[in-house]
Amino acid sequence: NAGVTQTPKFRILKIGQSMTLQCTQDMNHNYMYWYRQDPGMGLKLIYYSVGAGITDKGEVPNGYNVSRSTTEDFPLRLELAAPSQTSVYFCASSNKRAVPPPGNTIYFGEGSWLTVV
Amino acid sequence: QKEVEQDPGPLSVPEGAIVSLNCTYSNSAFQYFMWYRQYSRKGPELLMYTYSSGNKEDGRFTAQVDKSSKYISLFIRDSQPSDSATYLCNLGAGSYQLTFGKGTKLSVIP
Repeated sequence: NAGVTQTPKFRILKIGQSMTLQCTQDMNHNYMYWYRQDPGMGLKLIYYSVGAGITDKGEVPNGYNVSRSTTEDFPLRLELAAPSQTSVYFCASSNKRAVPPPGNTIYFGEGSWLTVV
Repeated sequence: QKEVEQDPGPLSVPEGAIVSLNCTYSNSAFQYFMWYRQYSRKGPELLMYTYSSGNKEDGRFTAQVDKSSKYISLFIRDSQPSDSATYLCNLGAGSYQLTFGKGTKLSVIP
């Protein structure tokens, strides 16, 4: 069972560089999310998508962009990387949004560790 | 005051101990209360959920909600080394806006 797959697992970026974190899910979920997790902090929502072609900002969107051209893929783009973007990034998906468990469960990927130096 | 407060620990207990993990919240609109478990270098996974005040039991785990005090707890009985992980509380409101606590790192020592 693949579930939610993120690449790369680890990456070091220099200040000002750009990169894309890839995320794909094989559960045919409509809803996908990007979170960041800083040490000792909870998960902060960056962007989310309710379906192909539809994206919206979360709590901390500045410095990031997303696109959703297919149901399966939800890449996160970092433009002009800054040290403040050093974090662990989690992609997640769910089959619904406005429904709590058990009708809906959010599945997380294993994370992408990003360091900006 | 932040919406959700969770003691980050770390918490270290001997195997077999009863563990109590807690979150307090300020927003009375929260209706859904969930606990996620996150192993080292892994993504969070849903452990338990509940909607109402009171206790919900699942094996060695009990989720407790006190809406009047805006306080939720996760109890782990007969704790095992395999329970060593970070536990995050997760609260949801009517439009399913989710707020995560900072997480408590638990170590169960054999």
